[in-house]
Amino acid sequence: KNQVEQSPQSLIILEGKNCTLQCNYTVSPFSNLRWYKQDTGRGPVSLTIMTFSENTKSNGRYTATLDADTKQSSLHITASQLSDSASYICVVSADTDKLIFGTGTRLQVFP
Amino acid sequence: ETGVTQSPTHLIKTRGQQVTLRCSSQSGHNTVSWYQQALGQGPQFIFQYYREEENGRGNFPPRFSGLQFPNYSSELNVNALELDDSALYLCASSSGGVNNEQFFGPGTRLTVL
Repeated sequence: KNQVEQSPQSLIILEGKNCTLQCNYTVSPFSNLRWYKQDTGRGPVSLTIMTFSENTKSNGRYTATLDADTKQSSLHITASQLSDSASYICVVSADTDKLIFGTGTRLQVFP
Repeated sequence: ETGVTQSPTHLIKTRGQQVTLRCSSQSGHNTVSWYQQALGQGPQFIFQYYREEENGRGNFPPRFSGLQFPNYSSELNVNALELDDSALYLCASSSGGVNNEQFFGPGTRLTVL
């Protein structure tokens, strides 16, 4: 069964600190992996998208890594800001553009 | 802003009623996907429309139906509403293709009483 699992479920950090979110998937065949940021009650916004051949991609303070052999990905956030408080969702696409979503990690950044 | 709009933003219905949700895709996009997101969960794929034809469907019953118009905007219709249909309904538009980015609208919050 195609699944995407994320950890931790929730995370609290202080402003200015770094954090890393994890994603494991069992989707096959694999096409690409995306990280989205979703504010409460809003639509997800894309942060990064990586194909099989890419193992790291950055978008400002966000850096995603991908290990296609172990089927793991991580999202590293550097120097966190209050505006980073949101849910971060790992999404995997099989051989079509239909997306399989994880349940997300809820990040709260406190001053 | 992604250029994808949805209406209405909020909606309250009662069990057994029918609802229509609307989505306008981003300019130049011919593919619209619909997702249901229950509180605290990740979005679940409902179906996708490509050039006015259904192009894949998730594990949702037939009372969830859709439509795509020549301008690529789309509707999601849900008949015989149930309490569990309460969720945030998201649409995403793309230009199709496996690695193309999907741009999400702000969603419609449906509450079924």
